Amino acid sequence: DAKTTQPNSMESNEEEPVHLPCNHSTISGTDYIHWYRQLPSQGPEYVIHGLTSNVNNRMASLAIAEDRKSSTLILHRATLRDAAVYYCILRRAGSYQLTFGKGTKLSVIP
Amino acid sequence: NAGVMQNPRHLVRRRGQEARLRCSPMKGHSHVYWYRQLPEEGLKFMVYLQKENIIDESGMPKERFSAEFPKEGPSILRIQQVVRGDSAAYFCASSQGEEQPQHFGDGTRLSIL
Repeated sequence: DAKTTQPNSMESNEEEPVHLPCNHSTISGTDYIHWYRQLPSQGPEYVIHGLTSNVNNRMASLAIAEDRKSSTLILHRATLRDAAVYYCILRRAGSYQLTFGKGTKLSVIP
Repeated sequence: NAGVMQNPRHLVRRRGQEARLRCSPMKGHSHVYWYRQLPEEGLKFMVYLQKENIIDESGMPKERFSAEFPKEGPSILRIQQVVRGDSAAYFCASSQGEEQPQHFGDGTRLSIL
């Protein structure tokens, strides 16, 4: 399975944009890039996913590099509620297993 | 719209007892997945079920663990003769289809005395 690499932790000021990076240099052509986040004492929450093109939804934007070896999750205005561990996961087309790594712990400073 | 419901949220058992964890998927979802999260680790896949069928149990320990998703009622993860190493958070997820995003419940935190 292709692996992802994320920074252990990041900090952001409230109401500022946050860019969370993810490297996946061994990604295959059929791997989708998924992002989940997990707030303390809660289950993971689906955020967004994409294959090649950039994606936007009400929660975030996903920017995918042209060579697909990296991607960035963008939170446009961080709020205190966005403090969580963010997981970047590769999921092969046709596969249902999600493999969670250590993720990036995002702290939001008021 | 009710999300994935898991109960109980916390469960305490003594070594040797049985633990039963329940999961009701989101309305309209017929695919259920169980994951386990040990302290300080990421979630690990355990089992994937559709109504009345186990599709993939490759992540389940071979002994003491079983799962079901009956035609009526919630999915059940059952752990017999629990040991201290079973202490973990157990999460259930559901999806509309196999390739659709999975939506998670808030988990059951199992503590073994």
